[in-house]
Formats: sequence, C-alpha cells, structure tokens
Amino acid sequence: DTAVSQTPKYLVTQMGNDKSIKCEQNLGHDTMYWYKQDSKKFLKIMFSYNNKELIINETVPNRFSPKSPDKAHLNLHINSLELGDSAVYFCASSQVRATEAFFGQGTRLTVV
Amino acid sequence: DQQVKQNSPSLSVQEGRISILNCDYTNSMFDYFLWYKKYPAEGPTFLISISSIKDKNEDGRFTVFLNKSAKHLSLHIVPSQPGDSAVYFCAASSDNFNKFYFGSGTKLNVKP
Repeated sequence: DTAVSQTPKYLVTQMGNDKSIKCEQNLGHDTMYWYKQDSKKFLKIMFSYNNKELIINETVPNRFSPKSPDKAHLNLHINSLELGDSAVYFCASSQVRATEAFFGQGTRLTVV
Repeated sequence: DQQVKQNSPSLSVQEGRISILNCDYTNSMFDYFLWYKKYPAEGPTFLISISSIKDKNEDGRFTVFLNKSAKHLSLHIVPSQPGDSAVYFCAASSDNFNKFYFGSGTKLNVKP
C-alpha cells in the first residue's frame, strides 16, 4: 500500500509540450508539497498546499501550475516545457506542523 | 543561497565501522532537523529527526547529534552495514516555514 504515489515515474517529452504529473497520498495528511531535484542534487521546494490551499510558492515560473482537487491529491501541470525543466520531481506530504514528510518515488522528467 | 549544507558529497566506510555524516545550517529559526535516506530511483525515506530542544536522539543503530551553537548536526551509524549504502539528506524546518530545506546529500558507501 503506497503512501505517496506519483505518476508517471518517467516522462520524456519535447520542448514546448504541456504535461502533468499526478500525486496522491493516502496518509490523511493535510499538507502536500512539490520538490524539484536539480542537476546538483539539491531538493528544492516548489509549492506547498495545506487543505487544498496554496501556502508556499517559491519563485517558480508561471508555466508551473499546481492543482489540488482535494487534500489527498496535488497535481503539477507544466506548460511550454523547456530544456531546463529536466529534473526529478518529488511529491511529498506531511502533517501541518512539518515534522517528517513522506515522499513519492519521484518523476524523472526529460525534455528533449 | 543554501541554508542547509552537506559539504561531503561522498563517504566510504568499512562494514562494522562507524559512519559519520555531517550537516551545517545557517538559519537560527530552524527548530526541527531530519535525516532522510535515498536509494536510486526511489523517493527519500525518513530516517530520524531531532527537535532543537534536544542535543541527541537515538534510534537503534542511528543517532543524530545537534550542536545549536555551531549550527551543526551529524548522523552516526554504528555499526555500518552494506544495506546502509545510499544517499543521505539532511533537512531542516520550522513551524514558521511549513517547508523543508534540504542539503545536497552525502553518498555513503559501506564496503563489505
């Protein structure tokens, strides 16, 4: 029983395309996140949602739009993909007070 | 500007010996610190945490030490096992931030 699941695991697409990554958690957590692991291996916060409300948006281009239909789901939609968007994207969830977060297995996005 | 730093990208240790992974942070507002373990093609998995009111937390073979005055924490693994070979990420958070700041990771290799 996967706690945080994200799909797809791998995504290869051409520049200019629009793509979505889906994330679901069955832990009953109130807070969900998207993190990006760049080429230097840093994990950087992109967005944080609490009970479907956006609470953190970290200088992410407008081409990235998170959508939370309910507190168990946080999807990431990316418009007009660029080469620099190639990275591994991790979804995570935690209780509100940000103790330990649980991560999905990651989505490796490759833009060609 | 990285607020959490892991200056050693890799560490190699003999099985049965102690592994010591280090982490430094710059933001004195951080009050909760975590270590995550990551295997290839998987998401980070929570390992152990420590609150800023403590200076040590132990869980089996894993112990985390916190030195607030030096803004430094370390993870000790003893005895190290080959299955411990993974990338270890240090992370920090605060009630005020509701997000996690991650270091760049240290790749631990435990040799049989």
